[in-house]
Amino acid sequence: DAGITQSPRHKVTETGTPVTLRCHQTENHRYMYWYRQDPGHGLRLIHYSYGVKDTDKGEVSDGYSVSRSKTEDFLLTLESATSSQTSVYFCAIKGTSGDNEQFFGPGTRLTVL
Amino acid sequence: RKEVEQDPGPFNVPEGATVAFNCTYSNSASQSFFWYRQDCRKEPKLLMSVYSSGNEDGRFTAQLNRASQYISLLIRDSKLSDSATYLCVVNRWGSGNTPLVFGKGTRLSVIA
Repeated sequence: DAGITQSPRHKVTETGTPVTLRCHQTENHRYMYWYRQDPGHGLRLIHYSYGVKDTDKGEVSDGYSVSRSKTEDFLLTLESATSSQTSVYFCAIKGTSGDNEQFFGPGTRLTVL
Repeated sequence: RKEVEQDPGPFNVPEGATVAFNCTYSNSASQSFFWYRQDCRKEPKLLMSVYSSGNEDGRFTAQLNRASQYISLLIRDSKLSDSATYLCVVNRWGSGNTPLVFGKGTRLSVIA
């Protein structure tokens, strides 16, 4: 158990509304990641963070922003949700074994109507 | 060529069977390799890292062929509980903290 929680676990929202998803970890991991998973696409990296206030874009970052004001929390914001952002969102942290492996939170299922 | 390619399956095998999955990757600079398992509507979970010399964890054996850029996973004596989607994962380039790229997964169903 990598001590990762995500909130909310499920959310239904309407097009055009802002949405913030939260990832919380308890083990002081430096690297954190946000992915989305859609049928036919697998997991795709949205943004990642390599420390407090240090973030970078992944392959599908358009329409998303992130913030990391403290080590334990990594927030993903959809400024104006669209139906194409309906997805399952997973947060992950980088493990400490040196193999570069990642461990995932339980996911947030987001539906944009 | 896609960064990570896997046969989507499904592989339907009887209990006790041996099953093998292959995965190819496109970037010869990749240095980190993994197999993850994902159950329906759950998060991916690390099954095992894959090392150049090959490695084994109980009924699971992983192999890496750098020359041909493919990774394999062998499951012996399949159990019903092995039914899941298996994700092949490599890092995008080099070593260290570079992003991981996930295959779309191979679905396995073990049948009683």
